[in-house]
Amino acid sequence: GAGVSQSPSNKVTEKGKDVELRCDPISGHTALYWYRQRLGQGLEFLIYFQGNSAPDKSGLPSDRFSAERTGESVSTLTIQRTQQEDSAVYLCAGSTSGYNEQFFGPGTRLTVL
Amino acid sequence: GENVEQHPSTLSVQEGDSAVIKCTYSDSASNYFPWYKQELGKRPQLIIDIRSNVGEKKDQRIAVTLNKTAKHFSLHITETQPEDSAVYFCAARGSGGYNKLIFGAGTRLAVHP
Repeated sequence: GAGVSQSPSNKVTEKGKDVELRCDPISGHTALYWYRQRLGQGLEFLIYFQGNSAPDKSGLPSDRFSAERTGESVSTLTIQRTQQEDSAVYLCAGSTSGYNEQFFGPGTRLTVL
Repeated sequence: GENVEQHPSTLSVQEGDSAVIKCTYSDSASNYFPWYKQELGKRPQLIIDIRSNVGEKKDQRIAVTLNKTAKHFSLHITETQPEDSAVYFCAARGSGGYNKLIFGAGTRLAVHP
């Protein structure tokens, strides 16, 4: 593929519903990260996957947030019982190692009504 | 915990002037410091990075300096152009087992013709 892809590009949901966001990293990128970016704000780290190691979940804001990754491919970020404060752009990024450039996807804009 | 502070939050310059953005980090073991540029509505993209074994790195009109003693690094853009207008994020990576980047809050740079 040409780069990191994310789907959907936009998601509007009602408060209390669950949502699932998807990230397809570049082939060969063993490291995958999820970030949250609220309007006009910086990048807030959520979770990091590296190969078969246990993920670093230290950035997940609550137990309503979870993420999975199958091997070194697709990752999904799930938010249960969405709240209005979950509204943000969710970005994923991949890299070949922690010392190398992170390639970001276009993001999913989540709006919780 | 790890923290990266970035200043200023907004910066306005005239075309042709220089722009300087400064960041400080809290983890003295941090060893990798990238800078990302995010244009309006687009994904962040790496513009330059520096590792802890060097004090300065240049790439055309962009340079980054690192002061490990002061735990401080800066982005310098010379001969600014309107297309440099964007939000710039600094980041620092710790030396622990996880490759997590901690991002600064961002600097919104406006270059006026």
